[in-house]
Amino acid sequence: AQSVTQLGSHVSVSEGALVLLRCNYSSSVPPYLFWYVQYPNQGLQLLLKYTSAATLVKGINDFEAEFKKSETSFHLTKPSAHMSDAAEYFCAVSLTGANNLFFGTGTRLTVIP
Amino acid sequence: GAVVSQHPSWVICKSGTSVKIECRSLDFQATTMFWYRQFPKQSLMLMATSNEGSKATYEQGVEKDKFLINHASLTLSTLTVTSAHPEDSSFYICSARNSITDTQYFGPGTRLTVL
Repeated sequence: AQSVTQLGSHVSVSEGALVLLRCNYSSSVPPYLFWYVQYPNQGLQLLLKYTSAATLVKGINDFEAEFKKSETSFHLTKPSAHMSDAAEYFCAVSLTGANNLFFGTGTRLTVIP
Repeated sequence: GAVVSQHPSWVICKSGTSVKIECRSLDFQATTMFWYRQFPKQSLMLMATSNEGSKATYEQGVEKDKFLINHASLTLSTLTVTSAHPEDSSFYICSARNSITDTQYFGPGTRLTVL
């Protein structure tokens, strides 16, 4: 079985500040991990994914995430927040690549001007 | 690339009627598509996996006779909500798996409101 836990349903940061969104996973085998972003009334857009290659994964819009097996974590970071980053962010896990994604409950990011 | 469309983007219908939602992968072929349901301020819940040319696989608790899925081509899957009731009101999102990139690409969603 697999699952993800996103700590913090809401995160607020000032514009230009570091963004840190937390995701911890549970998996019996090496997982595939994903971060998606959802803007209001829209579908999900892939930010980045981990597929057992490099542990530090770089995605779009300067987002990156680091896979830490010892901590079972895959936290999402961005050095400097922009107003346009305000959205809902979902972490997801899969055991079979892009099939059977299990999503976390999401974290709403607010960027304060 | 990797664009997935959904139609309609929103629909309002009367209780007891059926509603069809289309999901298309516009620039790649998808043997596998997925249908999700999202309640307000909640995460996505997988409803079913749609496989081209075969029957869909439904998640536990999802009524297959109520949520009919057809995946007749490599670029189109449809979800039909039969005899819709107000409790079926939700945001329905589809995704298509690109086997080359091994990534799910999501449609923009369809907001269904049943009166």
